[in-house]
Amino acid sequence: DAGVIQSPRHEVTEMGQEVTLRCKPISGHDYLFWYRQTMMRGLELLIYFNNNVPIDDSGMPEDRFSAKMPNASFSTLKIQPSEPRDSAVYFCASRKQGFSNEQFFGPGTRLTVL
Amino acid sequence: DAKTTQPNSMESNEEEPVHLPCNHSTISGTDYIHWYRQLPSQGPEYVIHGLTSNVNNRMASLAIAEDRKSSTLILHRATLRDAAVYYCILRDVGSGGSNYKLTFGKGTLLTVNP
Repeated sequence: DAGVIQSPRHEVTEMGQEVTLRCKPISGHDYLFWYRQTMMRGLELLIYFNNNVPIDDSGMPEDRFSAKMPNASFSTLKIQPSEPRDSAVYFCASRKQGFSNEQFFGPGTRLTVL
Repeated sequence: DAKTTQPNSMESNEEEPVHLPCNHSTISGTDYIHWYRQLPSQGPEYVIHGLTSNVNNRMASLAIAEDRKSSTLILHRATLRDAAVYYCILRDVGSGGSNYKLTFGKGTLLTVNP
């Protein structure tokens, strides 16, 4: 299995631009998680889905952030408009219900907003 | 959420055992203890988890105190590849075991000396 796939791996954009991060979970996994990691705040859970349905989005910082999961093999995290304080590494993770307690993380997308 | 306390950093020598402590004095009966680690420039990866009994797997051992207020992750023979940030996390399964949220703290930065 290829593991969790994220794209792009690096993104540099200017303030005010729309940014879309993409994630392909491991096939057969029914939970998907989006995290953000910064030096100041550490690793934070933004939102997670179960069977493509958002379950908990209490970590989404504000209305500029939105996440979707149109099908079991694809999810997006969108920031519109982006701000310099959104600069961080964004991780996607997936897991399978009932199989184990292990979340599998992707390699992350490093976002820089100038 | 119940919180964990870990030392900011620890140092070890290659091929020696490492004991990484975690205090969780407010742990509840439905909290599982999880350990993840994050190698440089990578996403976190699962190490081990447990509830009450000590656990062993190919990566490490988890020793849980009888009162569950603390636990220790044991790496039996540290290698240079084990240099990482180690996170001790409590996961409240609540009723039905449906809560899959992981709340990451600052973790312990483990340095392994050759």
